[in-house]
Amino acid sequence: DGGITQSPKYLFRKEGQNVTLSCEQNLNHDAMYWYRQDPGQGLRLIYYSQIVNDFQKGDIAEGYSVSREKKESFPLTVTSAQKNPTAFYLCASSPQPGQGAYTGELFFGEGSRLTVL
Amino acid sequence: AQSVTQLGSHVSVSEGALVLLRCNYSSSVPPYLFWYVQYPNQGLQLLLKYTSAATLVKGINGFEAEFKKSETSFHLTKPSAHMSDAAEYFCAVRTISNFGNEKLTFGTGTRLTIIP
Repeated sequence: DGGITQSPKYLFRKEGQNVTLSCEQNLNHDAMYWYRQDPGQGLRLIYYSQIVNDFQKGDIAEGYSVSREKKESFPLTVTSAQKNPTAFYLCASSPQPGQGAYTGELFFGEGSRLTVL
Repeated sequence: AQSVTQLGSHVSVSEGALVLLRCNYSSSVPPYLFWYVQYPNQGLQLLLKYTSAATLVKGINGFEAEFKKSETSFHLTKPSAHMSDAAEYFCAVRTISNFGNEKLTFGTGTRLTIIP
């Protein structure tokens, strides 16, 4: 089955620790995204990547880092510089604009819930 | 810049009643608009999308939405609510950055509660 796999589902972290959230997709999509979700604030874009070895900051990139070494993978690191990291993190992917399958729709993983103790 | 506003962070309806969730958009380009549904501790699932074809869009689970350019609205409706419709609903608009990158910008969400 094609889809997006996020791991871990739940993660606990002590203050001052970096953590990395995994996102893997087998949909052959070029573009991948990370969103953060907090109650009452909707989804806010952290980083996105539209091609391997390239990525752009979203609206709330401070305290986060990403890499895009492979088309299938887009890991997110939550660094100790992120002041309030407790949240639900969602990874998504889509075909590139201009590709035959492109409709603007994003395909989402099941999310990872990070709690800082 | 493109954006969406969802009116009402919480909506409650009785089982069998009409569901109406409101979304207004702002876009300087012809908009692509989306409604997603999220169940607790899960990802988002696409309900329906408008991409400049028919203005009345039908989606999954009996939901539909009508694109009204004059009102800059894309409200989500369902004639008869079911208990399984209880979830959070997000409206989203395609956004194009100054560099030409495309992404989705989401509203703050509406939590739908169904009263038995």
